[in-house]
Amino acid sequence: AQKVTQAQTEISVVEKEDVTLDCVYETRDTTYYLFWYKQPPSGELVFLIRRNSFDEQNEISGRYSWNFQKSTSSFNFTITASQVVDSAVYFCALSEANTGNQVYFGTGTSLTVIP
Amino acid sequence: DAGVIQSPRHEVTEMGQEVTLRCKLISGHNSLFWYRQTMMRGLELLIYFNNNVPIDDSGMPEDRFSAKMPNASFSTLKIQPSEPRDSAVYFCASSLRAGGSREKLFFGSGTQLSVL
Repeated sequence: AQKVTQAQTEISVVEKEDVTLDCVYETRDTTYYLFWYKQPPSGELVFLIRRNSFDEQNEISGRYSWNFQKSTSSFNFTITASQVVDSAVYFCALSEANTGNQVYFGTGTSLTVIP
Repeated sequence: DAGVIQSPRHEVTEMGQEVTLRCKLISGHNSLFWYRQTMMRGLELLIYFNNNVPIDDSGMPEDRFSAKMPNASFSTLKIQPSEPRDSAVYFCASSLRAGGSREKLFFGSGTQLSVL
């Protein structure tokens, strides 16, 4: 079973529009961690954020914000006033305290920001 | 501080040839992961090591694939013999084991493998 689901395969937005990338996860652990990674055209995955299962506070970092809701097992990522440099593939990931260091990645959402 | 270093960046080989991908971890990191990325399957975890010991290799496709960590800072992923369906981008990532599952991964730039 897929532990992390990113239903949106591709999204295109016009520059300055807001965009939300969805992530739904599945776990039976009470302690787990959620991540977002960005993969720009250059190819290397870059860490964006980590949340633990005990902290449902939403987080904002500049134009980026994350909405963690345990009730719906979702960890959505919003980019406000998108820019061309935001064009990339974004991966949501999950790791569980009881499965060591294994990280489960979603299939990724390819975001294209059109100038 | 240098990041995760992978070599080569690109590899083109013919079916049946042996391919060796290399990875140098970030200094101080002691967990090492090999991922494969394809359009069809996305990011697949092939194998990961903690303190040079393979912990889970259930993602290794078949016996043609093998991975080693001869020391704490270096790893190789070998495919022998290679097949066209092995064509993919192979990523190496490292993290600090001490933090366990909370630790973020640091990825290398990947090796683009093409098997003709």
